Amino acid sequence: DTGVSQNPRHKITKRGQNVTFRCDPISEHNRLYWYRQTLGQGPEFLTYFQNEAQLEKSRLLSDRFSAERPKGSFSTLEIQRTEQGDSAMYLCASSPSIGGAVAGNTIYFGEGSWLTVV
Amino acid sequence: KNEVEQSPQNLTAQEGEFITINCSYSVGISALHWLQQHPGGGIVSLFMLSSGKKKHGRLIATINIQEKHSSLHITASHPRDSAVYICAVSDGNKLVFGAGTILRVKS
Repeated sequence: DTGVSQNPRHKITKRGQNVTFRCDPISEHNRLYWYRQTLGQGPEFLTYFQNEAQLEKSRLLSDRFSAERPKGSFSTLEIQRTEQGDSAMYLCASSPSIGGAVAGNTIYFGEGSWLTVV
Repeated sequence: KNEVEQSPQNLTAQEGEFITINCSYSVGISALHWLQQHPGGGIVSLFMLSSGKKKHGRLIATINIQEKHSSLHITASHPRDSAVYICAVSDGNKLVFGAGTILRVKS
């Protein structure tokens, strides 16, 4: 088990372009989370999945953002028509499904995908 | 007001000092997590608490559910403890994070 894997680790894109990040969670984990983190701040919740079902989306997740987890395994986060304000680190995390994070099961984070929009 | 408040925001200590980082939260929770984040992004879970106290090596975490407050203590601090320490609470089905405390331990 290699933990939660994210790629690409770094992405520089021009404003207006689309970008996609991928997250491969720990294989037996049903829950998958996306967070966004800017410098000097703690991570902010974006969305989470239970298997392939997207159960909650933050107001932070504008119409330009879409996340999928088609087979309940890996997930993608796509940002369309990127803006400079989208520059941040996008963190993926996963946890076991029994109670998920609510019951306090340990949550495992990926290394993050850094996005710079120029 | 943020749901999770940490203090201090920045902390510089000399090697060997006893360190305390505080976390207060305003929402009902089922568990509280203390996390460590090193430069470059990776976040590691240190503790998960729903009551009382936990100890792991030189790290101690306590929580007072009635007062909605938790503390993370580091005994005999070492430069390798330098990192960002983040408090997060389980809110429904997700974690809500504090802004983090930047700790620098000087030798």
